[in-house]
Amino acid sequence: GQQVMQIPQYQHVQEGEDFTTYCNSSTTLSNIQWYKQRPGGHPVFLIQLVKSGEVKKQKRLTFQFGEAKKNSSLHITATQTTDVGTYFCAGPIYGGSQGNLIFGKGTKLSVKP
Amino acid sequence: NAGVTQTPKFQVLKTGQSMTLQCAQDMNHNSMYWYRQDPGMGLRLIYYSASEGTTDKGEVPNGYNVSRLNKREFSLRLESAAPSQTSVYFCASSERGHEQYFGPGTRLTVT
Repeated sequence: GQQVMQIPQYQHVQEGEDFTTYCNSSTTLSNIQWYKQRPGGHPVFLIQLVKSGEVKKQKRLTFQFGEAKKNSSLHITATQTTDVGTYFCAGPIYGGSQGNLIFGKGTKLSVKP
Repeated sequence: NAGVTQTPKFQVLKTGQSMTLQCAQDMNHNSMYWYRQDPGMGLRLIYYSASEGTTDKGEVPNGYNVSRLNKREFSLRLESAAPSQTSVYFCASSERGHEQYFGPGTRLTVT
């Protein structure tokens, strides 16, 4: 069945270091979404990428969608303690009802001050 | 504008007990979803409702039922709770093809 895989599962960084999480889909995606979940909180939408090769930036966060629309990455420059949380990618379920998403298992980021 | 609200926030059940998790959204979204989140497993779709009056199974529907009461409300029912249903449950809503908005979650423990 369709799978969305994220690596790494965990990442521990020193404050100020960069961080990258990678998302790989077993199928071509029409779009990919990224969410952040703070500890004890709920997932919050960050961004949606639609076009092949698309790159979007939000302050220190850079999101990329692969040329083949099967992979994506989120890069955080100079991490801060406020970046702590779990980052999920999600793509539309192939052949499913429009709007249904399949989520990766997430990358949990911890930042040491 | 409250977004997506869920009740209760916490619940402890004994095996075999039943309960209903409530969810409501005030964003006039057509689609609503129920997920469960277990450690290391990400978010798994239990049931969804693409529009008022329709519901469909997701990835892990066994042991659950849902009701789309109206456009605002989507409830999840556990008829006979089992320890395997210990989890955090999130409700979400969206317009098709757009981002999902999540509620604060219900932390359920079944003993």
